[in-house]
Amino acid sequence: GAVVSQHPSWVICKSGTSVKIECRSLDFQATTMFWYRQFPKQSLMLMATSNEGSKATYEQGVEKDKFLINHASLTLSTLTVTSAHPEDSSFYICSVATGGAKNIQYFGAGTRLSVL
Amino acid sequence: AQKVTQAQTEISVVEKEDVTLDCVYETRDTTYYLFWYKQPPSGELVFLIRRNSFDEQNEISGRYSWNFQKSTSSFNFTITASQVVDSAVYFCALSGFGNEKLTFGTGTRLTIIP
Repeated sequence: GAVVSQHPSWVICKSGTSVKIECRSLDFQATTMFWYRQFPKQSLMLMATSNEGSKATYEQGVEKDKFLINHASLTLSTLTVTSAHPEDSSFYICSVATGGAKNIQYFGAGTRLSVL
Repeated sequence: AQKVTQAQTEISVVEKEDVTLDCVYETRDTTYYLFWYKQPPSGELVFLIRRNSFDEQNEISGRYSWNFQKSTSSFNFTITASQVVDSAVYFCALSGFGNEKLTFGTGTRLTIIP
């Protein structure tokens, strides 16, 4: 399967600042990556589909200006939480879709964001 | 719309016992994929299995086995002779054929008591 690296694993920031999270596909050229959000003891909520070389597709209710996604290469997608507030504190996790007949998502280790 | 239900929120068993995690799904698609993922305390989701809707054969991998029953829309996961390292949250998920989006269940937190 694909190896996915996510950085940072933990970030604490002040309210009003922006935070960038990187998701790297180390051994697979990923045209599609996904960003999820997970609240404590809850399931994963899909935020957006990141498409290489084009705009991300956001799920209903997710603010695209708040959560900026850039997928500039086949190995890197970034999620920037702009003007973060305490309610943005959560666990963010990305995945790489192998696509085609395999159709399996492999996940990064996640980023725990705490906004003070 | 797709939906995955994992009715068991938390399960605790003593080490070496067998345990079955239930998963029931709903979909209008005639072809689809079903998945199980493991999320240990570290947070990373670990892929365990993918099953095609047209393949109802049960699968066994070591201590893990999966029972897919299309007639009851269920895809249950059994761990035999459980170990402490099996302690994690387990998610069942569903995707359409040709659509990579995953619909996750709410997860089952499994605790193996030494």
